[in-house]
Amino acid sequence: NAGVTQTPKFQVLKTGQSMTLQCAQDMNHEYMSWYRQDPGMGLRLIHYSVGAGITDQGEVPNGYNVSRSTTEDFPLRLLSAAPSQTSVYFCASSNGNGYTFGSGTRLTVV
Amino acid sequence: GQQVMQIPQYQHVQEGEDFTTYCNSSTTLSNIQWYKQRPGGHPVFLIQLVKSGEVKKQKRLTFQFGEAKKNSSLHITATQTTDVGTYFCAVNTNAGKSTFGDGTTLTVKP
Repeated sequence: NAGVTQTPKFQVLKTGQSMTLQCAQDMNHEYMSWYRQDPGMGLRLIHYSVGAGITDQGEVPNGYNVSRSTTEDFPLRLLSAAPSQTSVYFCASSNGNGYTFGSGTRLTVV
Repeated sequence: GQQVMQIPQYQHVQEGEDFTTYCNSSTTLSNIQWYKQRPGGHPVFLIQLVKSGEVKKQKRLTFQFGEAKKNSSLHITATQTTDVGTYFCAVNTNAGKSTFGDGTTLTVKP
């Protein structure tokens, strides 16, 4: 039982590049979410999903896309990276009783 | 959207002193969750409170949900250096969608 697995752990992108952050959970959780955390800040919700095929926007969705084709996977796509997207990204999953977080992806956009 | 205000933003204590962080909302909450994030780590779920006036304990940690379900607190008795980190409250604004407070960062001086 691995919980929530995020890859990669670290990434450096050039402005304008695109990439996908991977997230997978093996707990059969319905709910999955992506958060970003800037230094000394709280967690801001980017996108979330309440089940396979269903996604919705959070507080800061611009510049990001998601899809949920299976219960297990919830990838986050950066369409055209900008320095403002430099952050730590956390994926989390839940069955309705608290979220289990992945260990995060530290992204730097130069 | 529904927001929660968390205070204080920072708290510095001497080891052995008590610590309390508060989470306040202007609207009635269906439930509230508490998380701990160690420096450099990811948030870890501590507890969920659902009932009005609910009090739950985990060793030296005491969690309370207000009678009106608009506020909550986390109290740590006799802090230890292992308690260092940022404590977040979170609320469900819709099914599968959780919004986090800005957190209280606790430092403990040995």
